[in-house]
Amino acid sequence: GQNIDQPTEMTATEGAIVQINCTYQTSGFNGLFWYQQHAGEAPTFLSYNVLDGLEEKGRFSSFLSRSKGYSYLLLKELQMKDSASYLCAVIDSNYQLIWGAGTKLIIKP
Amino acid sequence: ETGVTQTPRHLVMGMTNKKSLKCEQHLGHNAMYWYKQSAKKPLELMFVYNFKEQTENNSVPSRFSPECPNSSHLFLHLHTLQPEDSALYLCASTTGGVDSGNTIYFGEGSWLTVV
Repeated sequence: GQNIDQPTEMTATEGAIVQINCTYQTSGFNGLFWYQQHAGEAPTFLSYNVLDGLEEKGRFSSFLSRSKGYSYLLLKELQMKDSASYLCAVIDSNYQLIWGAGTKLIIKP
Repeated sequence: ETGVTQTPRHLVMGMTNKKSLKCEQHLGHNAMYWYKQSAKKPLELMFVYNFKEQTENNSVPSRFSPECPNSSHLFLHLHTLQPEDSALYLCASTTGGVDSGNTIYFGEGSWLTVV
């Protein structure tokens, strides 16, 4: 079967750095998304990786290793507003989007 | 504001009721989706419409009935639901499919409680 694994919950301190990992076992790979979802709000796009390496976008970076079936989202200089769920999703060989269950990130002062 | 609007935001219905969820996108996209989001579970794709034509139905029970009258509007008609259908229902839209990394724009969802 197809599977996306993410930690259920993580806690970090304001101003610190946190890395949220995502590992996937899918039938093929055509890209990986990260979305952010604040409680009670719509998921919003953060990043899209299709090639190996690190993509940096301000305080957020996303890394992909296709050979390892692995991605991470790196959040720097954490702010209280970064408290949210972070969803990893992979496009498989049939161009279906497979979602992880999300990682709830709690930021403490 | 994502450009995708869902109503109602909250709905409580009995198992014998009939209700509908509405979604409208103001982005000029041609594909629209219904997802179900339950606590601590992955998003479940329910239905996909491309240019008003249903292209996917992921084995969704017939008590959920979608309708897409035009590329901007999507409905989910609900009848004789079960308590396990209680969840957040998310509408989304894209320009083209997701296969090229097109960003998915989600609505804020309709919280459904079946009593």
